[in-house]
Amino acid sequence: EAGVAQSPRYKIIEKRQSVAFWCNPISGHATLYWYQQILGQGPKLLIQFQNNGVVDDSQLPKDRFSAERLKGVDSTLKIQPAKLEDSAVYLCASSLGGAGTQYFGPGTRLLVL
Amino acid sequence: QKEVEQNSGPLSVPEGAIASLNCTYSDRGSQSFFWYRQYSGKSPELIMSIYSNGDKEDGRFTAQLNKASQYVSLLIRDSQPSDSATYLCAVNVNGNQFYFGTGTSLTVIP
Repeated sequence: EAGVAQSPRYKIIEKRQSVAFWCNPISGHATLYWYQQILGQGPKLLIQFQNNGVVDDSQLPKDRFSAERLKGVDSTLKIQPAKLEDSAVYLCASSLGGAGTQYFGPGTRLLVL
Repeated sequence: QKEVEQNSGPLSVPEGAIASLNCTYSDRGSQSFFWYRQYSGKSPELIMSIYSNGDKEDGRFTAQLNKASQYVSLLIRDSQPSDSATYLCAVNVNGNQFYFGTGTSLTVIP
């Protein structure tokens, strides 16, 4: 069974630029999560989708971050414009249901200069 | 108050010893509890999940849950150098919201 796929794996941008990350969850997993993990901290949930609907986006900085999962499968997370403090690893995870085990992708390492 | 709190460590134990990792959570609506292991530069990977009070054993790992005390722990028996990693406690609240602790760094000394 293929795992969660993410791209790109690494990204370096300058502040005020925009960036987008892509995630393809495990086949059949209805729930998809985006996390931000800053060095030395635990993952922080940014947004949770159930199929193509948003379940929780309470910690998503909506003035600069957006995410979509239009067909209920893969998802895109965008940052526009980026700030220095957005430097982090962005993790995508998926699960069969909303309370089940989450499986993580390899992450995208973002460095904002 | 943070939703999930862990001792940040670092925790060092000799090879073959028992490592004990602790986690407390604030929301009594928390329903499911998870321990993840994260090697440096890698993504978290699930070690164990636990849903009801008591102990759950899987090989060298034992998770313990006490909902009355809002406490969950992970014991690693016969610790190996390959167990050296950061251990993340995660809590699911009301079936939707997930919160991770900051992690405990474990080093197993050969």
